[in-house]
Amino acid sequence: KNQVEQSPQSLIILEGKNCTLQCNYTVSPFSNLRWYKQDTGRGPVSLTIMTFSENTKSNGRYTATLDADTKQSSLHITASQLSDSASYICVVSQEAGTALIFGKGTTLSVSS
Amino acid sequence: GAVVSQHPSRVICKSGTSVKIECRSLDFQATTMFWYRQFPKQSLMLMATSNEGSKATYEQGVEKDKFLINHASLTLSTLTVTSAHPEDSSFYICSATLETQYFGPGTRLLVL
Repeated sequence: KNQVEQSPQSLIILEGKNCTLQCNYTVSPFSNLRWYKQDTGRGPVSLTIMTFSENTKSNGRYTATLDADTKQSSLHITASQLSDSASYICVVSQEAGTALIFGKGTTLSVSS
Repeated sequence: GAVVSQHPSRVICKSGTSVKIECRSLDFQATTMFWYRQFPKQSLMLMATSNEGSKATYEQGVEKDKFLINHASLTLSTLTVTSAHPEDSSFYICSATLETQYFGPGTRLLVL
């Protein structure tokens, strides 16, 4: 069964600290893996997208990694800010143009 | 990046009425758009795939006669919730594909 599992379910960190979110998937065939940030009451916004051959991709303070052999990905957030408080969703695509397979997300709360 | 808009952003209606939600790709053409529903603290759940010029493809358990989808042009898809009931209250999000999936800002539906 195609699944995307994320951990932790929720996370609270202090402003300025770093954190890492995890994503494991059992999706086949695999086309790409995306990380989205979803603020409360808003639609998801793409942070990174990685294909099978990519190991890491950065977008500002966000760095995603992908290990296609172990089917694991992580999202590292550096020097967290209050505005980073959101739900971070790991999404896997099987092939271009098809529906995405969503993880349940990690809710990150950054406090001052 | 590509922009997807939704209208309205929020709607409150009485039980038994129908509500139409529009999804537009503002600066690109999308032959395929997706409609999702998201309940509080849950991940996005795919409802249907909207194909321009043809019938939508609905996910298992989604009533096609209740959730009418019309993809009239390459930049517009509409979702009509017919005879809405309180259990239809949710956050509805559309997306359109241009290399990656771009999500709309979502529509909050509250049925009284």
